[in-house]
Amino acid sequence: TQLLEQSPQFLSIQEGENLTVYCNSSSVFSSLQWYRQEPGEGPVLLVTVVTGGEVKKLKRLTFQFGDARKDSSLHITAAQPGDTGLYLCAGDPGNQFYFGTGTSLTVIP
Amino acid sequence: EAQVTQNPRYLITVTGKKLTVTCSQNMNHEYMSWYRQDPGLGLRQIYYSMNVEVTDKGDVPEGYKVSRKEKRNFPLILESPSPNQTSLYFCASSHYNEQFFGPGTRLTVL
Repeated sequence: TQLLEQSPQFLSIQEGENLTVYCNSSSVFSSLQWYRQEPGEGPVLLVTVVTGGEVKKLKRLTFQFGDARKDSSLHITAAQPGDTGLYLCAGDPGNQFYFGTGTSLTVIP
Repeated sequence: EAQVTQNPRYLITVTGKKLTVTCSQNMNHEYMSWYRQDPGLGLRQIYYSMNVEVTDKGDVPEGYKVSRKEKRNFPLILESPSPNQTSLYFCASSHYNEQFFGPGTRLTVL
């Protein structure tokens, strides 16, 4: 059983399109992190959301933390081929870290 | 440069032959972890350490050992590797909730 469920699992879109990736849980988290991982490399932190309802923007990426701190979303505006990668959400309800299974995004030029 | 290093990057071994994967960080982080990443299962925490001489089991600790004798190093030991431990392994160090990952070790156990 996954503590963090991500959807969709795979996403293939044309350059310039918008997309949203979801990270859901039945547990409450003090914070959630989003990472991006490219093939053959370790995940790289994109953002941490801490406060329920918080919205953070990183260029064309918008991250939102749910009001109840159980879910988060990542929205990409006008996707570029450079956005291609595996997007992972993560959280630590205690001392352990849990990751979602990831969303594999392919942006076609 | 702040980084987490792992060695080796690639390893092919045989069942039962003890091996160690080293991990080192230069950021003075107290928290370090080991993960394995498998298709369809994502990243799963094997062991973690909140400080020197303090280690705890993660979600999938069976078949693995760790030690934390110094703050910067956190080696992963497979005493008797089996084929089901074939995977991509990542070491990470953490500052609060933010993790910094090493480049990964691809292990194949024949």
